[in-house]
Amino acid sequence: DIQLTQSPSFLSASVGDRVTITCRASQGISRFLAWYQQKPGKSPNLLIYAASTLHSGVPSRFSGSGSGTEFTLTISSLQPEDFATYYCQQVNNLFTFGPGTKVDIK
Amino acid sequence: QITLKESGPTLVKPTQTLTLTCTFSGFSLTTSGVAVGWIRQPPGKALDWLALIYWNGNQRYTSTLNNRLTLTKDPSKNQVVLTMTNMDPEDTATYYCAHLGTYYDSLSGYPYFDFWGQGVLVTVSS
Repeated sequence: DIQLTQSPSFLSASVGDRVTITCRASQGISRFLAWYQQKPGKSPNLLIYAASTLHSGVPSRFSGSGSGTEFTLTISSLQPEDFATYYCQQVNNLFTFGPGTKVDIK
Repeated sequence: QITLKESGPTLVKPTQTLTLTCTFSGFSLTTSGVAVGWIRQPPGKALDWLALIYWNGNQRYTSTLNNRLTLTKDPSKNQVVLTMTNMDPEDTATYYCAHLGTYYDSLSGYPYFDFWGQGVLVTVSS
């Protein structure tokens, strides 16, 4: 099974900060990776698929990059509504979610 | 507009079988390429993919649940049913169903879960 790790697990940041979250796969998965945002008590929302394609309606301050085993999610200028937990998901061989990165207010 | 909603018991006893129903609208499970998945999330923990059923009846399951899962579909009712046997307190979680979309480029198809239900919290306790 393909395992995912995310770093950091927790991130404290301020509005306007540039934030980067890393997701690493235990084996190469090409670009078969998606990113989700989840707020407390809510269902996850798709942000990015195919590693770097922004889902419809997602603000352009979100971007994704990477291929193979290392991927990043970047928020170029953190907004108040972006404080949430972010998950990566590999879709190369069935599905696996990463452990999540919680972005909190500094 | 695609919507999904989970329904089922919120409390089950250990060793019992859990049956959850996902009722959806805005798409058909008879359309080629369409699939519905189930994902769960224990309180305070990460998302955990469970199972997926395709329009053609093909099913995929996580290997971590030792054949405890079964998926069925009823396209005429726009429903997918998840059954999980031998429930344990560690199965306490919010259970979500989700629509699987796919993006195609010149090389591959890249799946993703683009629409999710609101989730149902299932507690396993005697």
